[in-house]
Amino acid sequence: GQQLNQSPQSMFIQEGEDVSMNCTSSSIFNTWLWYKQDPGEGPVLLIALYKAGELTSNGRLTAQFGITRKDSFLNISASIPSDVGIYFCAEIKAAGNKLTFGGGTRVLVKP
Amino acid sequence: DTGVSQDPRHKITKRGQNVTFRCDPISEHNRLYWYRQTLGQGPEFLTYFQNEAQLEKSRLLSDRFSAERPKGSFSTLEIQRTEQGDSAMYLCASSSVPYRRDLDYGYTFGSGTRLTVV
Repeated sequence: GQQLNQSPQSMFIQEGEDVSMNCTSSSIFNTWLWYKQDPGEGPVLLIALYKAGELTSNGRLTAQFGITRKDSFLNISASIPSDVGIYFCAEIKAAGNKLTFGGGTRVLVKP
Repeated sequence: DTGVSQDPRHKITKRGQNVTFRCDPISEHNRLYWYRQTLGQGPEFLTYFQNEAQLEKSRLLSDRFSAERPKGSFSTLEIQRTEQGDSAMYLCASSSVPYRRDLDYGYTFGSGTRLTVV
């Protein structure tokens, strides 16, 4: 079946740093979604990407839909403590609206 | 409308017991989904309803699992004869159909029910 691989699995951030994470797929996607999940909560949609090459921003977040349609990246600029959480990439199937999630990138604060 | 509500938030049960979780979707959403999330993993699709009809079930949904949405509003997920491997966060989500990109699919998740089987 289709697989979504996210990297890195975890990262430490220091306030003010820019961070980047990516997601690759074993098959071609028509939509890329990026979610954030805080501890004890459900995922919340950050950015949705609909076509190859598309670059979309949401505040300090920027995501791009790779031109091969098999990858996407998410950048967070000038990170702040509340950026801590788990970031997931996902695909949505038009038939049934099912989501398939990657394994997540856990963002932690440097001690 | 306060979003998708799930009850209880936490459940600890002994192996072999039955448990039932409830999900109240956003009222105007006609699709309701159940996902399971184990520690360190992304959520995995279990099943979904359109109104009261259960349209798809994943292979993850063993015979011990049953989901209902009797009146097309709230849904329940029951696990019979729980096993330690059932320990996970069970997430409910709802969306409208047909979905609209400009509404970002209207896909909203609840806060989940964390099940621990001891």
